[in-house]
Amino acid sequence: DGGITQSPKYLFRKEGQNVTLSCEQNLNHDAMYWYRQDPGQGLRLIYYSQIVNDFQKGDIAEGYSVSREKKESFPLTVTSAQKNPTAFYLCASGRTGTNYGYTFGSGTRLTVV
Amino acid sequence: GQQVMQIPQYQHVQEGEDFTTYCNSSTTLSNIQWYKQRPGGHPVFLIQLVKSGEVKKQKRLTFQFGEAKKNSSLHITATQTTDVGTYFCADPNTGGFKTIFGAGTRLFVKA
Repeated sequence: DGGITQSPKYLFRKEGQNVTLSCEQNLNHDAMYWYRQDPGQGLRLIYYSQIVNDFQKGDIAEGYSVSREKKESFPLTVTSAQKNPTAFYLCASGRTGTNYGYTFGSGTRLTVV
Repeated sequence: GQQVMQIPQYQHVQEGEDFTTYCNSSTTLSNIQWYKQRPGGHPVFLIQLVKSGEVKKQKRLTFQFGEAKKNSSLHITATQTTDVGTYFCADPNTGGFKTIFGAGTRLFVKA
């Protein structure tokens, strides 16, 4: 079955550490996205990528980095520069064009300890 | 920047009551999308509306797109506990290759 896989489901980070969240899709979608969701809040866009080897900053990119070396993969690194990283991180993918909705992964809950 | 505004932010209903969430834009939308996120889960795409005045139904859910294509609504008839979650509207066009999500309406259903 096609879909998006995010791992790990839960992640604990010590202050000052960088951590990388994995996102893999086998839907053959060109576009991939990273969103952050805080408790009871909406979705805020961190980074997005329309094609391989290209990505753009979203609304809250500071303290985060991404890469898009393969069409299937769009990992997100939460760096030590991100001062409040505890949140629910959602990866999504979509076809180019605007007639299709996004497919979301099941998310990664990151907690700073 | 472009936003889609959703109201209400929260809604508590008794099981069996109806529920409506509204989505408004200051500019004309090409399309409008709706997603549902169950508690602890991830957003799931429900539907896209394209035409002015369009109405689509999915079982007890009725989606409407305004005549001016500046607003949309999602109405749930006779809510059930399985309807609990957050409903987001989304604008897939104005953001330049990225969908802009509303803040969502969180629905609580009391059995």
